Amino acid sequence: DGGITQSPKYLFRKEGQNVTLSCEQNLNHDAMYWYRQDPGQGLRLIYYSQIVNDFQKGDIAEGYSVSREKKESFPLTVTSAQKNPTAFYLCASSMWGERAFFGQGTRLTVV
Amino acid sequence: AQRVTQPEKLLSVFKGAPVELKCNYSYSGSPELFWYVQYSRQRLQLLLRHISRESIKGFTADLNKGETSFHLKKPFAQEEDSAMYYCALTGSNYKLTFGKGTLLTVNP
Repeated sequence: DGGITQSPKYLFRKEGQNVTLSCEQNLNHDAMYWYRQDPGQGLRLIYYSQIVNDFQKGDIAEGYSVSREKKESFPLTVTSAQKNPTAFYLCASSMWGERAFFGQGTRLTVV
Repeated sequence: AQRVTQPEKLLSVFKGAPVELKCNYSYSGSPELFWYVQYSRQRLQLLLRHISRESIKGFTADLNKGETSFHLKKPFAQEEDSAMYYCALTGSNYKLTFGKGTLLTVNP
């Protein structure tokens, strides 16, 4: 799964600050996804994008924003409006109906 | 709305015993269904998908449209099968939805 890269692996931010998580893929996949993984909650979909310059809200989009200016990149911004931002964030990409490839994840801690 | 339900958070079996991880889904159209696995300290990876109808590491899963289920089965569990298993669904809208996962522990 080396084709999809998330950075950084660990991120610390002060409460009230916005923070942007990076996700890049070189698999030429159309679709990209952001998930939040919390213990006992599984993977909850934040945002997804089917194509450049288009994206859709997932199930827990409040307090998050994304952009898809390039096919390879799908950054996620965790805004100060997100009430409980400390979590493990996973990025994925796929072609429709095909297997999704996942990044290694970013663990965000807000203090 | 599409939804994936995995009723068991935890499942513990002994080595050599059969194992079944349950997955039920809700989707109005024709979904693509998957099982993903996450071994300790590794990335989430595909285990199998219903359309391929193959057996991976001894696991199989059959799509039952009448019962809207996609249960994962293995006749003889091995200790290396211990992992977190996620059932997932994607529909025509590209939305990829996961269940909450089942942590399988295979005891020696």
